[in-house]
Amino acid sequence: EAQVTQNPRYLITVTGKKLTVTCSQNMNHEYMSWYRQDPGLGLRQIYYSMNVEVTDKGDVPEGYKVSRKEKRNFPLILESPSPNQTSLYFCASSRWTGNYGYTFGSGTRLTVV
Amino acid sequence: KQEVTQIPAALSVPEGENLVLNCSFTDSAIYNLQWFRQDPGKGLTSLLLIQSSQREQTSGRLNASLDKSSGRSTLYIAASQPGDSATYLCAVELANFGNEKLTFGTGTRLTIIP
Repeated sequence: EAQVTQNPRYLITVTGKKLTVTCSQNMNHEYMSWYRQDPGLGLRQIYYSMNVEVTDKGDVPEGYKVSRKEKRNFPLILESPSPNQTSLYFCASSRWTGNYGYTFGSGTRLTVV
Repeated sequence: KQEVTQIPAALSVPEGENLVLNCSFTDSAIYNLQWFRQDPGKGLTSLLLIQSSQREQTSGRLNASLDKSSGRSTLYIAASQPGDSATYLCAVELANFGNEKLTFGTGTRLTIIP
């Protein structure tokens, strides 16, 4: 089944403790992206990657890092999480050519205390 | 800057009725528009994708239309069912080589009353 898999689904952590949210897709998509969803603000893009070793900032990149060492994986790294990063996070992927739309993961609900 | 608006923010209708959800966007230079469904605590499920050259797409009881010139899209749901209760999001992708990000509306929370 074609899908984007995120782990973990739920995570509670303390301020300053580094964490990684993993994202993997099995559709050989070139493009991958991270979004966060907050009440009243909708979904906002954090980082994106157009292919292996090519990443760039989205609209709200502060406090986050990403890497794209393999085509299928695009982890989101929070080096020193803070309470304002408490949010629902989504990973998405799509093909680079054509017009096929996006596939989203099931989300990761992160709480930073 | 592209802005996407969905009105109303919430809608309740009796089961069996047909309904229309609205989405408007400010920049008509879009690559495509996608409608998603989000159930509480769950991920986004893609419902329909309309490419910029298309006027509408249909899937089962769902029909989405696109009018680029006026910056509007509608999602029509026929014969609504309680299982249709969810938040519906529209998102546009700008025709901009490079970052193919989606700009989302804040959604319409739909409740179908049995």
